[in-house]
Amino acid sequence: GQNIDQPTEMTATEGAIVQINCTYQTSGFNGLFWYQQHAGEAPTFLSYNVLDGLEEKGRFSSFLSRSKGYSYLLLKELQMKDSASYLCAVRDEAGGSYIPTFGRGTSLIVHP
Amino acid sequence: DTGVSQDPRHKITKRGQNVTFRCDPISEHNRLYWYRQTLGQGPEFLTYFQNEAQLEKSRLLSDRFSAERPKGSFSTLEIQRTEQGDSAMYLCASSVGDISRNEQFFGPGTRLTVL
Repeated sequence: GQNIDQPTEMTATEGAIVQINCTYQTSGFNGLFWYQQHAGEAPTFLSYNVLDGLEEKGRFSSFLSRSKGYSYLLLKELQMKDSASYLCAVRDEAGGSYIPTFGRGTSLIVHP
Repeated sequence: DTGVSQDPRHKITKRGQNVTFRCDPISEHNRLYWYRQTLGQGPEFLTYFQNEAQLEKSRLLSDRFSAERPKGSFSTLEIQRTEQGDSAMYLCASSVGDISRNEQFFGPGTRLTVL
């Protein structure tokens, strides 16, 4: 398996910056995804990284280091609506599958 | 609404009954996925179709579960002889284009409760 590890829960203050980490172990890494999921709703795509480095998209950025098996999602200028679960998903093609495996998700609570 | 739709949104059934869920993907999307999600967990992959062909099936998938996509458009997921452990949210997703990027669009899910 991919052995994906994320913190279970994080809290942050409105307007602040928060970094959500994800570590993984794969034999044939081929892509890492971040999804956002509000309570009771479906996941929505945030970002995709396959090469090392930082991908920026508005208030959200995602970083990948393949050699360290590590990624983070950076959320800037936090808003109350950012309170959600953030899911890291990793594709490992060693087993011949194109389907990413999801981690358990990190529940982010943003308070005033 | 041009997103992924699922029906029903909620299903309550008694243990031992059969249930069937439907998923309508985004119209031009040729790939369709089924996942199961329980509270506090990420989505767990069940099966995947490209057009009408079922290309992958999770090894965790019991033989009580079967999925079809007969015309390469909508899909159905059937669970036979339901068990209480089948209670979960069943999510459908679809995608199109480069499989390596695989951005999936999820439906609202069907919440199954087995009594």
